[in-house]
Amino acid sequence: QVQLQESGPRLVKPSETLSLVCSVSGGSFSTYHWNWIRQSPGKGLEWIGHVYYTGRTKYNPSLGSRVTISLDTSKTHFSLRLTSVTAADTAIYYCARDPGFCDTKTCYTPGYNFDIWGQGTMVTVSS
Amino acid sequence: DIQLTQSPSFLSASIDDRVTITCRASQGIHTNLAWYQQKPGKAPKLLIYAASTLQTGVPSRFSGGGSGTEFTLTISSLQPEDFATYFCQRLNGYPIAFGQGTRLDIK
Repeated sequence: QVQLQESGPRLVKPSETLSLVCSVSGGSFSTYHWNWIRQSPGKGLEWIGHVYYTGRTKYNPSLGSRVTISLDTSKTHFSLRLTSVTAADTAIYYCARDPGFCDTKTCYTPGYNFDIWGQGTMVTVSS
Repeated sequence: DIQLTQSPSFLSASIDDRVTITCRASQGIHTNLAWYQQKPGKAPKLLIYAASTLQTGVPSRFSGGGSGTEFTLTISSLQPEDFATYFCQRLNGYPIAFGQGTRLDIK
C-alpha cells in the first residue's frame, strides 16, 4: 500500500530555510494532489499547500511567498521549502495525499480530503 | 475565511456509550466536511468525507451528518480504541480550515 515518509532537519535557525522531503512508496503519483500540513499546539492543524502530479501548486495565503512545494521529476518524492522561519513555524510537519472525492452531484479534485499521511516530523526553530 | 468551531472541546464517556460531536461552520459549506481521528503521537486518520461518506475501512459505528453550517460525528457504541481527538475539516474550499479538535477521554 502507499506509504509516505517525511525527512529533513529537525532543528532550523531563525531566519533560515526549512526544507523537508516526503518520499512516496507503493503507489503512483498520478491523479493525486500531494500536500504539506503542519500542527502546532498554538495554531492547531494548518494546511501549507499542495502540488499536483503535473507540477501545479497552490499555497495557503497566510504563508505568503515564503513557501514552495515542488515535485521530483522522477515522481518518487515531493519537497517543502519555507523561508525566513521564526519560532511560530515550530510544528510537526506532515505530508499527505489528496485523492479528491465525489458527492451525489459531482467530483472534486482537489477535494482537500487527506486519506494517507506520513508519520510526521517535528521541526523546531531555535538558535 | 470560513471558521469551524467544534463542541464540546472535551468529552468524557464510557465504553459502549453513544457520543456526538458537533462542528459549526461560520458560513454554509453544503456537505463539504470531513472528520479525522488523531491518537497521541500519530497522524490524523480520515474517517468521513462529504459529511456522511465513510472512508474505506472505517468501522460502521462511526457516522456523520449535517449540511450547511451544522455537522455531527456520532460514534454509536464507544470502543477502547476510539478514545482520541477528533477534528472536522472543510473540504473543497480554499483556504481550507480545521476545527480546533474535540478530545474524547475515558470516564
